[in-house]
Amino acid sequence: QVQLQESGPGLVKPSETLSLTCVVSGTSISNYYWSWIRQSAGKGLEWIGRIYISGSTTHNPSLRSRVTMSLDMSKKQFSLKLSSVTAADTAVYYCARGPFYDRSGWGHYFGPWGQGIPVSVS
Amino acid sequence: QSVLTQPPSVSGAPGQRVTISCTGSGSNIGANFDVHWYQQLPGTAPKLLIYDNNNRPSGVPGRFSGSKSGTSASLAITGLRTEDEADYYCQSYDTNLSGSYVFGTGTKVTV
Repeated sequence: QVQLQESGPGLVKPSETLSLTCVVSGTSISNYYWSWIRQSAGKGLEWIGRIYISGSTTHNPSLRSRVTMSLDMSKKQFSLKLSSVTAADTAVYYCARGPFYDRSGWGHYFGPWGQGIPVSVS
Repeated sequence: QSVLTQPPSVSGAPGQRVTISCTGSGSNIGANFDVHWYQQLPGTAPKLLIYDNNNRPSGVPGRFSGSKSGTSASLAITGLRTEDEADYYCQSYDTNLSGSYVFGTGTKVTV
């Protein structure tokens, strides 16, 4: 079955860059959009951004230009970089498949999700 | 700063029916964007439960159903079971600058 696994440091210093990677197994990475979503006690679930195999990315405007995403088809993985982090970026970060797009149009949902990786900014 | 509002908690006895509301606005649910639901069991990642308002992914029991009307949506759980105790989140697409994909505030279901 489709599985996603996040990896990266669990502790990042303020003003530095948070870097996470998500490895995909059980499906082709090239036929879907892939997203990053985070969950914190203060803001709940928050969509960060999405990437497609073409390199096209879209991100949450609230994160302004701090988000960079990339995808490596050969390694079946995609990555997130969030710059200039503050304590407000402390959260559990999830990678997920989605949204979906096919001949019938958009499916604006996510599934499956990775198990999540807690990241603390301190 | 969730855009979709849900009740903080609902509870019911085993076998009962509970519903969870999800209230949005004219820039998301009211703009005819579909609503999706996720179940988050304690200590785990959210799992897609209902997509496109009322469709269940393979493996999701028929006890779970969704509906949408106007600027709101609802998730119903019938025949409540102890393993349904979890957090539930609605999600939709939003055309405002708050973010393209928005989630609900979450509802804790206690059995």
